[in-house]
Amino acid sequence: DGGITQSPKYLFRKEGQNVTLSCEQNLNHDAMYWYRQDPGQGLRLIYYSQIVNDFQKGDIAEGYSVSREKKESFPLTVTSAQKNPTAFYLCASSIVRGSNQPQHFGDGTRLSIL
Amino acid sequence: KQEVTQIPAALSVPEGENLVLNCSFTDSAIYNLQWFRQDPGKGLTSLLLIQSSQREQTSGRLNASLDKSSGRSTLYIAASQPGDSATYLCAVRLITGGGNKLTFGTGTQLKVEL
Repeated sequence: DGGITQSPKYLFRKEGQNVTLSCEQNLNHDAMYWYRQDPGQGLRLIYYSQIVNDFQKGDIAEGYSVSREKKESFPLTVTSAQKNPTAFYLCASSIVRGSNQPQHFGDGTRLSIL
Repeated sequence: KQEVTQIPAALSVPEGENLVLNCSFTDSAIYNLQWFRQDPGKGLTSLLLIQSSQREQTSGRLNASLDKSSGRSTLYIAASQPGDSATYLCAVRLITGGGNKLTFGTGTQLKVEL
């Protein structure tokens, strides 16, 4: 079945460590997105990419990095510069062309600090 | 900057009741508005997408309306069931800015009791 796969489901980070969250989609979507969700808050955009080898900062990009080497993959690295990384991270994808295409979401990765 | 507000933050209703969830946004220059459902610990499932030129969309027991001029949308759920218990999020896509970027509300947590 077509969809978005995020892994791992749970991830723990030690102080000073970088960790990478995986996001893979087989929907043939051009655009991919990373969101962060904190308790009681809506989703906030970290980074997005509309095409391979290109990506843009969202509203809260500091302390995060991404790459888009393949259409199907958009990994997110949470660096040691992100001082409050504990959150639920959601990856999404969508068709770029046309203004009225819904975003499709993965099941998320929950990141915690050890 | 676009701000999206959802009221109430939480709602508990008996099974069978019809209910309305509210979403308001500050910038009326939108392409579309989406309603999502989120189950605990899961990603988002798209329920309805209303284009800026539309007034409402229906899917089964769900009906979403959009009043762009007043910056409001409502999600109407008919004959609620315990399986409807989840958090409901609305999100808007602005005309300005690149990409299919969404701004999310903080959600309404719905509990339908037997």
